[in-house]
Amino acid sequence: AQTVTQSQPEMSVQEAETVTLSCTYDTSENNYYLFWYKQPPSRQMILVIRQEAYKQQNATENRFSVNFQKAAKSFSLKISDSQLGDTAMYFCAFMKPGSGGGADGLTFGKGTHLIIQP
Amino acid sequence: GAVVSQHPSRVICKSGTSVKIECRSLDFQATTMFWYRQFPKQSLMLMATSNEGSKATYEQGVEKDKFLINHASLTLSTLTVTSAHPEDSSFYICSANDRDRTDLFWGSYNSPLHFGNGTRLTVT
Repeated sequence: AQTVTQSQPEMSVQEAETVTLSCTYDTSENNYYLFWYKQPPSRQMILVIRQEAYKQQNATENRFSVNFQKAAKSFSLKISDSQLGDTAMYFCAFMKPGSGGGADGLTFGKGTHLIIQP
Repeated sequence: GAVVSQHPSRVICKSGTSVKIECRSLDFQATTMFWYRQFPKQSLMLMATSNEGSKATYEQGVEKDKFLINHASLTLSTLTVTSAHPEDSSFYICSANDRDRTDLFWGSYNSPLHFGNGTRLTVT
């Protein structure tokens, strides 16, 4: 079974600052995917970024980037130039390929509540 | 973009009654749908995997007789909470796997996992 650990229950930074959310995971799989999801107060799950385990290059999506360290099983999210709209819960998630090549269910960390202060 | 419609968004029911939650993919076919449960200020926990035309696969600790899942078509999965009790009060979220883009998933950037907006269940 996989486990995902987010050790920061809450973080608060000033607008325009850079913030890094940490995530570690444990798995015996070699092929898998990692995700960061954002959940605002509306509770809608919004995909922020994803990383394929077989890729060494860190994923980047505009102001969001990850630091993926496969050997250390670490997957941190960096948010640059943080904005008020970034305030939300952030969940790190793990997924391995499902049987038959399809997707499997996600294993989520406990989440980090990120607060961007004006 | 792909949309998953989850209905109802909120439901209040009395203890002992049953509640049905629908998860519908609007513009794609979903061979697999996932049901999650989220308690207040906690993470999402996978309850079960719903496969079209076959029995659902439940995670350890989830009572299959209490949480009935039916995936009768490629666009609809339902979760029925039977004989609901106050401890079943929670936020339930579904997600759907885009069948036609699954093969691309492992090589492309776009995720075929689409989430519904969730259902807040309150059992009184």
